[in-house]
Amino acid sequence: SQQGEEDPQALSIQEGENATMNCSYKTSINNLQWYRQNSGRGLVHLILIRSNEREKHSGRLRVTLDTSKKSSSLLITASRAADTASYFCATVTSGNTPLVFGKGTRLSVIA
Amino acid sequence: KAGVTQTPRYLIKTRGQQVTLSCSPISGHRSVSWYQQTPGQGLQFLFEYFSETQRNKGNFPGRFSGRQFSNSRSEMNVSTLELGDSALYLCASSFTGQNTGELFFGEGSRLTVL
Repeated sequence: SQQGEEDPQALSIQEGENATMNCSYKTSINNLQWYRQNSGRGLVHLILIRSNEREKHSGRLRVTLDTSKKSSSLLITASRAADTASYFCATVTSGNTPLVFGKGTRLSVIA
Repeated sequence: KAGVTQTPRYLIKTRGQQVTLSCSPISGHRSVSWYQQTPGQGLQFLFEYFSETQRNKGNFPGRFSGRQFSNSRSEMNVSTLELGDSALYLCASSFTGQNTGELFFGEGSRLTVL
């Protein structure tokens, strides 16, 4: 069963624009992670944010977490064609539970 | 440092057969997790092994099984294959366990059941 749900399901933007993806989840979390997957390949970890953190940055990526709204957002600034991929949020609800993935947002960056 | 290696990358089986998939984690990683990815259900957790012990199991029938060896390499087996088992099977390793840090994924094994 999915814990996280990404929105939108698909997003198409021009190179240089910013891309924002959202993730909503149902139950309290221990941490939330974002992953990227290029078509048919393995997933690549982007950022992990813990429940007591509100914002994290990594290069052109910015992740926010609002535990009161049970939501997170991933912002990719100055998008490039190479950012074209599916982006997944994944949550851990407690110390002994598996990482549960959402269904992802498919991002297309047009050159 | 070598990444996570999954073999085979592609395979085709027929209904009723069984299949074994292999995963070699990053050196030093003791946790190996398996996920099934399909267009309809997305990424579904199968199981996690840590130091040869199954630490967590997802909601899959008993036809799906796995194990981990003393060198942390892991295998998963699916018996009596069904058409719905066609999927990309992803293996991921981590040092401390999948719920405390990032997972490192292999490229997957794409199984087609005819």
